[in-house]
Amino acid sequence: NAGVTQTPKFQVLKTGQSMTLQCAQDMNHNSMYWYRQDPGMGLRLIYYSASEGTTDKGEVPNGYNVSRLNKREFSLRLESAAPSQTSVYFCASSGTGGMRSEAFFGQGTRLTVV
Amino acid sequence: RKEVEQDPGPFNVPEGATVAFNCTYSNSASQSFFWYRQDCRKEPKLLMSVYSSGNEDGRFTAQLNRASQYISLLIRDSKLSDSATYLCVVPSGTGRRALTFGSGTRLQVQP
Repeated sequence: NAGVTQTPKFQVLKTGQSMTLQCAQDMNHNSMYWYRQDPGMGLRLIYYSASEGTTDKGEVPNGYNVSRLNKREFSLRLESAAPSQTSVYFCASSGTGGMRSEAFFGQGTRLTVV
Repeated sequence: RKEVEQDPGPFNVPEGATVAFNCTYSNSASQSFFWYRQDCRKEPKLLMSVYSSGNEDGRFTAQLNRASQYISLLIRDSKLSDSATYLCVVPSGTGRRALTFGSGTRLQVQP
C-alpha cells in the first residue's frame, strides 16, 4: 500500500551543491509531477511527465532537470542549488483524464539550501 | 488572470457553522475539477472531484458554475478537524495533462 514514495524526506545543501530527489509510484499511473511549495503559498508545478519518455516544463522549471526513468520513477535534479530553492518538494502521480485524474502525493522532501 | 484563483482567507468560523469557498478558473475548456485538503506540513489529499454540476459527500458539497467559471466548496456543520487549507485544482498544460493548484484557502474552526 505504498502509493507514492519520495526520498529523502529532509535534506540540507550548501549553495552550489547538486542533488537528486527520487520519486516512485506503484499505482501504474501514466502521469507524474514535481511541485514545490514555499511557506504560506500554494503548490507550483516544476515539471510533469504525461507518460514514460515525455517531460514538460511547468510554471517554475528554471534550475531543475527531470528524468522519467520508467513508468514508476520520476526524479528531480538540482544541478547547482541556490537558497531560493529552499522549499518543500512534492511528487505526485495520476491517471490520465476524467475520473482518473486525481493526483496522489508523496509525503514531501523538505529541502534547505544554506 | 491567473489560471486558478482562490481567496487565501483565513476563514475563522465557530464549530457548527457553514462556510463556503470559491475558486475561479480561466480556461473554459476545463472539464474536471478537484478540491484537495492540506494539513499543516503534510501532503495534499483529495477531498472531492467535480465533473458535472456538482457533487455531495456528507457535510461537503462542491458545485460547478461553467458559465461564470467558478467552483465552490460548501462545508456544513464545521468540525474542529476541518481546520486545514483547501486547494482548488484544475487540469492544465499540454492536452490538459497537468494539474494546476490554486494557492489555497485556509480554514480555522474554533471551539
